[in-house]
Amino acid sequence: ILNVEQSPQSLHVQEGDSTNFTCSFPSSNFYALHWYRWETAKSPEALFVMTLNGDEKKKGRISATLNTKEGYSYLYIKGSQPEDSATYLCASSHSGSARQLTFGSGTQLTVLP
Amino acid sequence: DAGVTQSPTHLIKTRGQHVTLRCSPISGHKSVSWYQQVLGQGPQFIFQYYEKEERGRGNFPDRFSARQFPNYSSELNVNALLLGDSALYLCASSSGSNYGYTFGSGTRLTVV
Repeated sequence: ILNVEQSPQSLHVQEGDSTNFTCSFPSSNFYALHWYRWETAKSPEALFVMTLNGDEKKKGRISATLNTKEGYSYLYIKGSQPEDSATYLCASSHSGSARQLTFGSGTQLTVLP
Repeated sequence: DAGVTQSPTHLIKTRGQHVTLRCSPISGHKSVSWYQQVLGQGPQFIFQYYEKEERGRGNFPDRFSARQFPNYSSELNVNALLLGDSALYLCASSSGSNYGYTFGSGTRLTVV
C-alpha cells in the first residue's frame, strides 16, 4: 500500500510571508510527482508534474523541488498573497500502476491580509 | 475550450439506491480517471479508462463500476449505496501520456 504524507496539515501565514510544505512518498518504482492547488468549490488546478531527481520547477511565486532517492518534494510560495489561500495536494505515481495517482491529504494554506 | 465537465454537481440518494455520475473529458483526451474524496482525506483512485478499456482499478468494491464511450466520455455507476459512499467524486482526463491530469470540479454525492 502506497502512502503519501503531507505536512503540515494546515498553515496560517501573514500576507508577504514565504512558506513551504512537504510531501513524502515511497521512493521505490517512482514514476512522477504531481502538485495541485485546490480552492473550495473549484476543480484541482495542476501546478507541477515532476519526474527527475533534483528537478526544480517554478511558476510565478510558486516553486517545487523533487528528491526521488529519499522520496520527498517541497513546495515553496514566496511572498504569500490572500489569493494563494487553498489546499495544496501532492500525488505520486509509480511504475506498474503509473496511471494511478496516490494523493496525500493536503496542506490547507490560509494567507491573512 | 471547455475543461473537464461533470454532472450532476450535487446529488442526494437514499441507501440502497443506484447512482450514475457522468464526465466529459477535454477534447482530444482519450483517458478518464475517477477519484473519490472524503472530507479530510486526499482523493482516492477508483478507475482509469483509456480508449474504452479499463486500465486500472483501485481498492473499491464491485458495487462500483464504470465505462467509457466512443466519444471518450465516461460514467461511474455505484449500486446499493451505503452512507459511506457520501463523498465528492472527481473525474480527471489526460491525453494518455500519464503525466498531466486535468480535473473536473466534481459531483457531491450525499447518501441518506
